[in-house]
Amino acid sequence: QVQLQQSGAELVKPGSSVKISCKASGYTFTSYDMHWIKQQPGNGLEWIGWIYPGNGNTKYNQKFNGKATLTADKSSSTAYMQLSSLTSEDSAVYFCARRGGYNNPFAYWGQGTLVTVSS
Amino acid sequence: DIQMTQSPPSLSASLGDKVTITCQASQNINKYIAWYQQKPGKAPRQLIRYTSTLVSGTPSRFSGSGSGRDYSFSISNVESEDIASYYCLQYDNLYTFGAGTKLELK
Repeated sequence: QVQLQQSGAELVKPGSSVKISCKASGYTFTSYDMHWIKQQPGNGLEWIGWIYPGNGNTKYNQKFNGKATLTADKSSSTAYMQLSSLTSEDSAVYFCARRGGYNNPFAYWGQGTLVTVSS
Repeated sequence: DIQMTQSPPSLSASLGDKVTITCQASQNINKYIAWYQQKPGKAPRQLIRYTSTLVSGTPSRFSGSGSGRDYSFSISNVESEDIASYYCLQYDNLYTFGAGTKLELK
C-alpha cells in the first residue's frame, strides 16, 4: 500500500533554512510526481509545487519561487523540500502528497510536518 | 492563476440534515474539481474527484455536481463522523484549493 512518511517537527530561527523529507513506499517512486502543500495554523491549503523523481523536473507555484526547493533521492525513495530565508509566515504544517492515477489528484498524503519559525 | 471561491466558510447542521457547499472557479475548470475532508491534526482525505466520482471508501451520502465554473458538494443525512472541514481543489490548471468550510453540529 502507498505510504508517505514525513520527517518530524522542526523549530527553526528566522532567517535560517530547513529541509523536510517525505519517504515513499509501496509503489515505484520514480513513476509519480510528488507534491508539497502548505497549511498555516487555522488556515486553508496552498499548493507549493511538484517534483517528478524520474527525471528531477519541478514545477512551482509562483508564490513559492525562491522560497521552496524540491529535490528527490531515487536511491532512498525520498522527496525533500527545503525552505529558505524563513520568517514567521513560513510557520505551518507541510504535507507531501501523491496523485492516485490519471485524473486523481492528491489521493495519498503524508502525515504532515510542523515547521515553527521562532527566535 | 485560477481562484476558487468556496462558501459558506462555516456551516452548522443537525444529525440527519443535508448540507451543501459550493465552489466557484474564476474560469471554466472543465469538471476538474476534487473534494477533501480534513479533521483536526490529520491530513486531508480525498472524497470525490472529477466533480462527482466517489473515491473508494467514500460513503454514498457524499455527492458532487457541477460544470463550467460552478460546483457543489453535498452530504445527505449528516453523521457525527462528518464533522470536519471540507475543501475543494481545482486541478485543471495547476492546483488551487478553496478556503474551506467548517462543518459543526448545531
